Amino acid sequence: EDQVTQSPEALRLQEGESSSLNCSYTVSGLRGLFWYRQDPGKGPEFLFTLYSAGEEKEKERLKATLTKKESFLHITAPKPEDSATYLCAVQLMDSNYQLIWGAGTKLIIKP
Amino acid sequence: NAGVTQTPKFQVLKTGQSMTLQCAQDMNHEYMSWYRQDPGMGLRLIHYSVGAGITDQGEVPNGYNVSRSTTEDFPLRLLSAAPSQTSVYFCASRIRTSGVPYEQYFGPGTRLTVT
Repeated sequence: EDQVTQSPEALRLQEGESSSLNCSYTVSGLRGLFWYRQDPGKGPEFLFTLYSAGEEKEKERLKATLTKKESFLHITAPKPEDSATYLCAVQLMDSNYQLIWGAGTKLIIKP
Repeated sequence: NAGVTQTPKFQVLKTGQSMTLQCAQDMNHEYMSWYRQDPGMGLRLIHYSVGAGITDQGEVPNGYNVSRSTTEDFPLRLLSAAPSQTSVYFCASRIRTSGVPYEQYFGPGTRLTVT
């Protein structure tokens, strides 16, 4: 069964304390992996798309990486405004549009 | 551009009532979809559409209907509300190109409670 698992469920960090969020996937074939950010009471907001193992993408304090089994979202020197829930989703090779979503990691950055 | 808009933002229904959640986008996206988000679970696809007049079922379609008469609008109808339909509902859109993993743009959500 195709599955996407995110860990940890929640992560509390001090401002400036770098860490990583994990998205592991067990799928028959990967077209792409997405990272989204979701603020409380709002819809998910697109961050990155990764297409193949070894690919990396960066945006401000965030860097996403992809291997054949998992993706990491690295957060360097986070600020309180980085607090949000981070979602990952996978588009399968045999799917035109549909995604499998992880349950998310809630990140809290304390000043 | 307003992006993807949803109304209402909050709704309380009694069991058995029906209602329509509205969704509109102004990005000329052909692909639109409805998701529900429940605590501890990933987003689950309810229905989707690849263009006006074309709709299809997602992962959890039971109890919901959709129609797509224009590119811009994609309403979701709850036929007879049940407590299990208490959730946050998101509408999303993207460009149509089949197979290519393009990002989706989400609306702000509708928080629905069924008592």
